[in-house]
Amino acid sequence: AAGVIQSPRHLIKEKRETATLKCYPIPRHDTVYWYQQGPGQDPQFLISFYEKMQSDKGSIPDRFSAQQFSDYHSELNMSSLELGDSALYFCASSLQSSGYKDTQYFGPGTRLTVL
Amino acid sequence: QQQVKQSPQSLIVQKGGISIINCAYENTAFDYFPWYQQFPGKGPALLIAIRPDVSEKKEGRFTISFNKSAKQFSLHIMDSQPGDSATYFCAANSSASKIIFGSGTRLSIRP
Repeated sequence: AAGVIQSPRHLIKEKRETATLKCYPIPRHDTVYWYQQGPGQDPQFLISFYEKMQSDKGSIPDRFSAQQFSDYHSELNMSSLELGDSALYFCASSLQSSGYKDTQYFGPGTRLTVL
Repeated sequence: QQQVKQSPQSLIVQKGGISIINCAYENTAFDYFPWYQQFPGKGPALLIAIRPDVSEKKEGRFTISFNKSAKQFSLHIMDSQPGDSATYFCAANSSASKIIFGSGTRLSIRP
């Protein structure tokens, strides 16, 4: 079965640079969530989109923005990168209109390293 | 403040033994409790999940026990195998919203 796809898998950036992470949800899934996981930490919710509209917002820095496109893929844009932004970034997707709307499936993640 | 409290932080179990991880929550609005398994450098993989109207759910070697009145739930892994060595996260969410994760348990199964 098709899973959540994230690209790139690894990204190395310098401080103050920008980065764009992409997420392709499971086909027909209409909701995308972004999470950040620091070393040895649990994933922390950043932001979510349902039907291309922002549905919830967590502890996402103002330097970050995200959107969901008409094909339901999502992009997380990160500017003025800081050393502390180094982490694993996960995208998860779900289907709101199903009986399993609570079930979120995670992608393999993008490892961002800021030097 | 951790909304979902998980223990222990790490656990070592002999092969063939039972691994038990415990979680507790405060927010009674939570209505869905999944467990995720994560290997180093990989994404969390959904293992098993339960809703509060059920006290127990079993899938293969994995069982969730749920105590609604105590606001506690636990994961039991029967006949633990070396391949089960991973980090396990309990979690909770409500109304298809963001997932709140526990702090994780690093499980090691000794051969």
